[in-house]
Amino acid sequence: NAGVTQTPKFRVLKTGQSMTLLCAQDMNHEYMYWYRQDPGMGLRLIHYSVGEGTTAKGEVPDGYNVSRLKKQNFLLGLESAAPSQTSVYFCASSYSNLGRRTQGTRYGYTFGSGTRLTVV
Amino acid sequence: KQEVTQIPAALSVPEGENLVLNCSFTDSAIYNLQWFRQDPGKGLTSLLLIQSSQREQTSGRLNASLDKSSGRSTLYIAASQPGDSATYLCAVPQTGANNLFFGTGTRLTVIP
Repeated sequence: NAGVTQTPKFRVLKTGQSMTLLCAQDMNHEYMYWYRQDPGMGLRLIHYSVGEGTTAKGEVPDGYNVSRLKKQNFLLGLESAAPSQTSVYFCASSYSNLGRRTQGTRYGYTFGSGTRLTVV
Repeated sequence: KQEVTQIPAALSVPEGENLVLNCSFTDSAIYNLQWFRQDPGKGLTSLLLIQSSQREQTSGRLNASLDKSSGRSTLYIAASQPGDSATYLCAVPQTGANNLFFGTGTRLTVIP
C-alpha cells in the first residue's frame, strides 16, 4: 500500500517554463488536495477535488491549474512558472470532508512526501 | 478566517523528558483537530485525529487533548526520544469546507 505518491521529488525550472506535478493515491479516497509550504507561512491550499472530474480553488490558486481525470490521480500544472512559485508542494488525500460533521469519521489526511520546486 | 497558532516555535529537551506542545485556534466551531509530524525534507505523517466530541486521543507515548471552548489543543509526548525530533503541526478543518488550516509548527529537538 503506497499511500500518496508524488512525482517528481525535485525540479528546477526557468521563469516562464511549464510543468506538471503528478499525485497518485491508492486508497480509493474521494478528496484530493494540493498544498504549498513556505517558510513562516505554513501550508496553504492551492486547489482541491471532491471526486473524479471535479476541481475547486483553494486559498492561493493563482498561477496554477489542476485536473482530476481519474479518481486516483490529481495533477497540478504551472503554465508559466514564476520565482514566487518556488516552494515545496504537497499532495494529500482524505476519505471524507473533515469540515463537515460526519458520523464515524476516523480518517484524517494522508500526505505525499512532497516536491521541491525552484524557479530561477 | 481560522487562525492556528503554535507556541513555542522551537523546543529542545533532554532525552527522557516529558513535554507538551501547544496549539490554539480562533474559531472554536470545529469538528476535529489533527496533529502531524514532519521530518526534515519529508512529507507530513498523521499522528492523531481528535473528533470534537472527544477530549483526548492516545497513541503509544502520544496523548492529544482538545478543549474546543477555549480553542486549545495540546500534544503530550512521554519519555521523549531522539527519534521524536521533528516538526509537529496541528491542523483544523474549515467548517463546511474542504480546507485544513495549519499552524506553522513547533520544531522539537530531543538531545541524547
